[in-house]
Amino acid sequence: ETGVTQSPTHLIKTRGQQVTLRCSSQSGHNTVSWYQQALGQGPQFIFQYYREEENGRGNFPPRFSGLQFPNYSSELNVNALELDDSALYLCASSAGTSGRTYEQYFGPGTRLTVT
Amino acid sequence: GQQVMQIPQYQHVQEGEDFTTYCNSSTTLSNIQWYKQRPGGHPVFLIQLVKSGEVKKQKRLTFQFGEAKKNSSLHITATQTTDVGTYFCAGPKKTSYDKVIFGPGTSLSVIP
Repeated sequence: ETGVTQSPTHLIKTRGQQVTLRCSSQSGHNTVSWYQQALGQGPQFIFQYYREEENGRGNFPPRFSGLQFPNYSSELNVNALELDDSALYLCASSAGTSGRTYEQYFGPGTRLTVT
Repeated sequence: GQQVMQIPQYQHVQEGEDFTTYCNSSTTLSNIQWYKQRPGGHPVFLIQLVKSGEVKKQKRLTFQFGEAKKNSSLHITATQTTDVGTYFCAGPKKTSYDKVIFGPGTSLSVIP
């Protein structure tokens, strides 16, 4: 076990709704990255938070937003849900420093289904 | 934008046979990471390579990072049923260390 937890495990939402996913990072880790993984594909980088600030962003629209708290836990918010947002959402924590990439430890993920 | 490719997409091997997956990036990477994801699970970190030409071994697994830091390989000797899963390479672009791009993965099936 990595010590990274995510909630909820599963979620079903309707198109147009908003969702908040949560992640608790591993003790001692100050960096959290969020990924979207569609079935049969590799994880797609959404964004990364380092010491409570967004530190990089992938090709996702602004309706994907995030937050990192002083204890380094993090939230992923998705507004105006679309059917294509159905996926496994993974968070990964690492002990980063600005300018370096370290190994990431993934949580179990949240399976989001949009109907 | 940066692209990371992996071949093959799928590999079926008889238990005891060797397995290799190859990873190629369209841009120079600052490092390469390998992850394994079991069916229904989440990616689990295996190893990180940083130096050009680096080779690392973990028991039956051998990882290589290319001289140009644009390609990598994972070789498993004498596969076992416990090796089943999808193997992903991932790496940040040298100039954008914060964006870790994953390859599409190689799915390994081991026939007992």
